[in-house]
Amino acid sequence: KNEVEQSPQNLTAQEGEFITINCSYSVGISALHWLQQHPGGGIVSLFMLSSGKKKHGRLIATINIQEKHSSLHITASHPRDSAVYICAISGAGSYQLTFGKGTKLSVIP
Amino acid sequence: EPEVTQTPSHQVTQMGQEVILRCVPISNHLYFYWYRQILGQKVEFLVSFYNNEISEKSEIFDDQFSVERPDGSNFTLKIRSTKLEDSAMYFCASSEDGANTGELFFGEGSRLTVL
Repeated sequence: KNEVEQSPQNLTAQEGEFITINCSYSVGISALHWLQQHPGGGIVSLFMLSSGKKKHGRLIATINIQEKHSSLHITASHPRDSAVYICAISGAGSYQLTFGKGTKLSVIP
Repeated sequence: EPEVTQTPSHQVTQMGQEVILRCVPISNHLYFYWYRQILGQKVEFLVSFYNNEISEKSEIFDDQFSVERPDGSNFTLKIRSTKLEDSAMYFCASSEDGANTGELFFGEGSRLTVL
């Protein structure tokens, strides 16, 4: 069974800081998703990765398949980035996503 | 921008009652999913649906749960006889490709409260 561990669980940052959230998993995967859950509960997909690196605006996601590790970076953080960031993985040949517990980010003005 | 819509946003029901949660996935998507999130816990996979049949389900998705795509646009989750522990936020999602290759689009969720 694949386990997903995220760190840190909680993160408070000053506006403008560079933020890194980490995700580790225990067995091979076919894809890794980074999701954002708003305070109201809605979930938005940020990235889907199977290798390398992706960038969208101030967000960057990387994955190292050999080390079974992914990171989500936020540059020039802003209070509107405050949310829970969730890492989720799908195994080879599976539609099932296994979710991490999430990292709660608070960005203070 | 296309979106996944869910109804109702909040439903309160008595234990033992049947509940149907409805979802309208993005129109050209082929894969559909239900997830749940008990308050304060992580999101859990319930079921995936493709080509008018269940493609995968979790241990949580027991005989009291069923899914259906009755009319080509709606995708429903039925809970036959609700229990207190079914209280959770239920998320529908859809994707053009499977979750191992395609981006997922989530609805805003349906909060179910079982009394």
